[in-house]
Amino acid sequence: QKEVEQDPGPLSVPEGAIVSLNCTYSNSAFQYFMWYRQYSRKGPELLMYTYSSGNKEDGRFTAQVDKSSKYISLFIRDSQPSDSATYLCAMTSDRDDKIIFGKGTRLHILP
Amino acid sequence: DSGVTQTPKHLITATGQRVTLRCSPRSGDLSVYWYQQSLDQGLQFLIHYYNGEERAKGNILERFSAQQFPDLHSELNLSSLELGDSALYFCASSVGQALNEKLFFGSGTQLSVL
Repeated sequence: QKEVEQDPGPLSVPEGAIVSLNCTYSNSAFQYFMWYRQYSRKGPELLMYTYSSGNKEDGRFTAQVDKSSKYISLFIRDSQPSDSATYLCAMTSDRDDKIIFGKGTRLHILP
Repeated sequence: DSGVTQTPKHLITATGQRVTLRCSPRSGDLSVYWYQQSLDQGLQFLIHYYNGEERAKGNILERFSAQQFPDLHSELNLSSLELGDSALYFCASSVGQALNEKLFFGSGTQLSVL
């Protein structure tokens, strides 16, 4: 079983829809959970950061962590064509020496 | 613009050759991370340097080596290149060495080995 699993997509949704992106993981020690957005031919940029379980909201973006299910989600409300990108989940713990990234989900928002 | 500079942006070379990728971190950042990104493997951690010292190694091949210089820029050396080394190589920087800090990624070097 891979440490972090993420559906590669592509996921195509109409503009204005709510988008749900998810990752599952196997290491129960993970404490820090991140979502990075990567546009084509660019480096990833940090979008959301969550410590332990719970929700975090920032504008149109909400990150959720369910440690009991080893499942994290990113919700995008009122999706825009500019949200079209690859979204990578990432996680680590105080015991780790590296951040583990998911392979990313390609998202297309259709105008 | 993340403030992290990577050069060159593109590199085309032949099998068996050696190349050097360069990274300048954001001003004030002491940590540099190197990642390899390919379609099948995703973003793979290679190595982490903090203030000139190696802090962690990931899936880095013995043919690959890196260093961080006193001015904090870093270089990733790839030798005896194989077709499978073709990938996008990213450098990222952060202020400290804690993994829960925000990473700032450069735009990457696209390496093509022919």
